[in-house]
Amino acid sequence: QKEVEQNSGPLSVPEGAIASLNCTYSDRGSQSFFWYRQYSGKSPELIMFIYSNGDKEDGRFTAQLNKASQYVSLLIRDSQPSDSATYLCAVIDSGGSNYKLTFGKGTLLTVNP
Amino acid sequence: GEEVAQTPKHLVRGEGQKAKLYCAPIKGHSYVFWYQQVLKNEFKFLISFQNENVFDETGMPKERFSAKCLPNSPCSLEIQATKLEDSAVYFCASSQLQALYGYTFGSGTRLTVV
Repeated sequence: QKEVEQNSGPLSVPEGAIASLNCTYSDRGSQSFFWYRQYSGKSPELIMFIYSNGDKEDGRFTAQLNKASQYVSLLIRDSQPSDSATYLCAVIDSGGSNYKLTFGKGTLLTVNP
Repeated sequence: GEEVAQTPKHLVRGEGQKAKLYCAPIKGHSYVFWYQQVLKNEFKFLISFQNENVFDETGMPKERFSAKCLPNSPCSLEIQATKLEDSAVYFCASSQLQALYGYTFGSGTRLTVV
């Protein structure tokens, strides 16, 4: 059973702080890694994807991937109350030929004004 | 359009009734995916299509669930004889050929079986 694990939270940070969200995955052959943001009652929205080891930055968001440790993280700098949402880690597993995403259960982030 | 359009937004069915959900992918996207979200955050893959062809149906409960993507029509997901446990939000997503870069979700259909 291929698994994606996340701390369910809630993770609470003050406005302006850095929020750090973590994810581990079981399939060593996984190819592509995604972070989705889901507001309550809404659909998931793609924030970042990463497929190479290292860091990838986009505005206030940085995704970090370490394939040797089977670990992917998302850092949110200068956190805003509007960042309060559930963050879902998702993985396309080995081979990637079916393009199916396996999701973690999400981490609830609360940014306090 | 640039969004995945799902209808209806809400659907209520009595146990044993049929439910049919629709999804219009983004124009030009080759792949369509259906996911079921239960218990707030748990996503379960159901089925995917490449154009009109079933690409991966490993997640489908085949006894009661069926899905189609026909040319020039919205894709559909049908549940025969709904059960209470089918209550969930059903998300459709579509992607271009390079699905490895992620896909775009529709706003979902909330199915409530009573």
